[in-house]
Amino acid sequence: DQQVKQNSPSLSVQEGRISILNCDYTNSMFDYFLWYKKYPAEGPTFLISISSIKDKNEDGRFTVFLNKSAKHLSLHIVPSQPGDSAVYFCAARINQGGKLIFGQGTELSVKP
Amino acid sequence: SAVISQKPSRDICQRGTSLTIQCQVDSQVTMMFWYRQQPGQSLTLIATANQGSEATYESGFVIDKFPISRPNLTFSTLTVSNMSPEDSSIYLCSVASTGYEQYFGPGTRLTVT
Repeated sequence: DQQVKQNSPSLSVQEGRISILNCDYTNSMFDYFLWYKKYPAEGPTFLISISSIKDKNEDGRFTVFLNKSAKHLSLHIVPSQPGDSAVYFCAARINQGGKLIFGQGTELSVKP
Repeated sequence: SAVISQKPSRDICQRGTSLTIQCQVDSQVTMMFWYRQQPGQSLTLIATANQGSEATYESGFVIDKFPISRPNLTFSTLTVSNMSPEDSSIYLCSVASTGYEQYFGPGTRLTVT
């Protein structure tokens, strides 16, 4: 039972344009959502998060949107840069215990 | 955010042997977690390492296969026992901040031959 899903395994975007990465979830008990970026041979790096009581959180070039009714969140990166090329994971936190459940990841490629 | 180190960074092991992975944090943390990322897959939680008590394992993971120690608030180990090629993965420890974020170590890349 995949509770967090990233249906696009890959995304290619031109430098300077917007990258939109999507994530869907099924468990209404999730209270916190996070996005991580992962380069090969490194651990995931925390990017941005959002509480389930909010619908938007912004940090520089990164904005996360949450649509609770649709159980959908998205990460917007604007403008995209070649250094943003990595695998992006969305994760959701169960409101007990703090453990995270991860999506399958989306590989973003930003072309110069 | 906490600074997390793992040892070893990578290893190649023979089937049937065991490997212990160390995770060191530069500050005291209450919650530490061990995850696994199999090739081409997402991250899956193995267990939550609790200081002063037994680890809490997720469905599909057992203590005999993945014994965990948590002797203090800055250190934990994960042992992968009686390894088979299916255990070839990246093993990651993470810590929970005082907020809601988790921060990850660099990972240990294990190959079992």
